[in-house]
Amino acid sequence: GNSVTQMEGPVTLSEEAFLTINCTYTATGYPSLFWYVQYPGEGLQLLLKATKADDKGSNKGFEATYRKETTSFHLEKGSVQVSDSAVYFCALRASGGSYIPTFGRGTSLIVHP
Amino acid sequence: EPEVTQTPSHQVTQMGQEVILRCVPISNHLYFYWYRQILGQKVEFLVSFYNNEISEKSEIFDDQFSVERPDGSNFTLKIRSTKLEDSAMYFCASSVIGEANNYGYTFGSGTRLTVV
Repeated sequence: GNSVTQMEGPVTLSEEAFLTINCTYTATGYPSLFWYVQYPGEGLQLLLKATKADDKGSNKGFEATYRKETTSFHLEKGSVQVSDSAVYFCALRASGGSYIPTFGRGTSLIVHP
Repeated sequence: EPEVTQTPSHQVTQMGQEVILRCVPISNHLYFYWYRQILGQKVEFLVSFYNNEISEKSEIFDDQFSVERPDGSNFTLKIRSTKLEDSAMYFCASSVIGEANNYGYTFGSGTRLTVV
């Protein structure tokens, strides 16, 4: 079946550090891939997406590239801020069949001033 | 910006009791969903709901669970007889159309259910 594996957290960084949160997936065909973010006390929000291989999704300084050869969709940001502290969820939707996305367990990011 | 509202934010219930989790989706959305996340584990899909009926459900969504939209506004998840393993964060989500993943769902902030 489909699955998403994220690196375990928490990831703790100082402000302006480089961020990578790893995400790999298992799916048949050509899934669409997503990153969601959950700020404290809020719901999950779509952060960025990519719908085909080699696409790069980007938003708010975050980027992730759909790598089919490595089945990965790692989230990166060049310089994190305290306000980026949140839980980040990687998700996929398989091509065809159910449109219900499959989520990873989330990775908590803590950014210190 | 429109948002999905969930109440309560935290609920504690005794094992065997019935619990109802409430959600108010965005008013023009047509598809509604419940997910849950047991602490430290993945966010798991429970059920989707469209046109006043369940359109898809997971293996987790057994006879102990039910959903309804009683008044055209609220979307509720009922657990008839709670078990300790039902303790989790429950997320409600809504979307305009079923192919929501290409646009993103709108999620609520969750209800943390603790069964004691």
